[in-house]
Amino acid sequence: DAGITQSPRYKITETGRQVTLMCHQTWSHSYMFWYRQDLGHGLRLIYYSAAADITDKGEVPDGYVVSRSKTENFPLTLESATRSQTSVYFCASRGGTAEKLFFGSGTQLSVL
Amino acid sequence: GESVGLHLPTLSVQEGDNSIINCAYSNSASDYFIWYKQESGKGPQFIIDIRSNMDKRQGQRVTVLLNKTVKHLSLQIAATQPGDSAVYFCAENSNSGGYQKVTFGTGTKLQVIP
Repeated sequence: DAGITQSPRYKITETGRQVTLMCHQTWSHSYMFWYRQDLGHGLRLIYYSAAADITDKGEVPDGYVVSRSKTENFPLTLESATRSQTSVYFCASRGGTAEKLFFGSGTQLSVL
Repeated sequence: GESVGLHLPTLSVQEGDNSIINCAYSNSASDYFIWYKQESGKGPQFIIDIRSNMDKRQGQRVTVLLNKTVKHLSLQIAATQPGDSAVYFCAENSNSGGYQKVTFGTGTKLQVIP
């Protein structure tokens, strides 16, 4: 099916481990985003990408790394997971500026 | 999945009544606004949008009103149904250092009473 998909849906890991969350979209959208959602904070931007090989930091980038070697994929890596990174992570994409975002179903990550 | 409805402002509405969800935005230079609906365990889903050169836009059962003078956005849902129960977020789009930034509000939980 066309759309934006995230994997895994749920992930449990331990402090200090490296974790990669995957995001794939089939629309060839230029822009892709990673948000985290926490109680009391709403959606906060971690990283975004305007095109392949172009990425930049959002509001809360510390502890995260992204790459965008292909337009359709935008993986998010936690290099050394911490408990404060326990959250629900959403990937989103859009075709151009000032257009609506399309969201994936999210990855619920627990860091023990 | 994790509930995003805890600690959020809650609006309780009788089924069949109209709902009005309000949102204050922060940036007077924001040029585009979006309302999203998020059901428990799912990603935000687009409902309706409006550009800053408009005051009102209507969709199917939904209307968005924009008051730029007081930086206020509202979402009206006509004849509210149980399936409308969800958390609703407003979002504003603005230019921030060459990047089109989208900032989300903290959300309002809509509870429809059958």
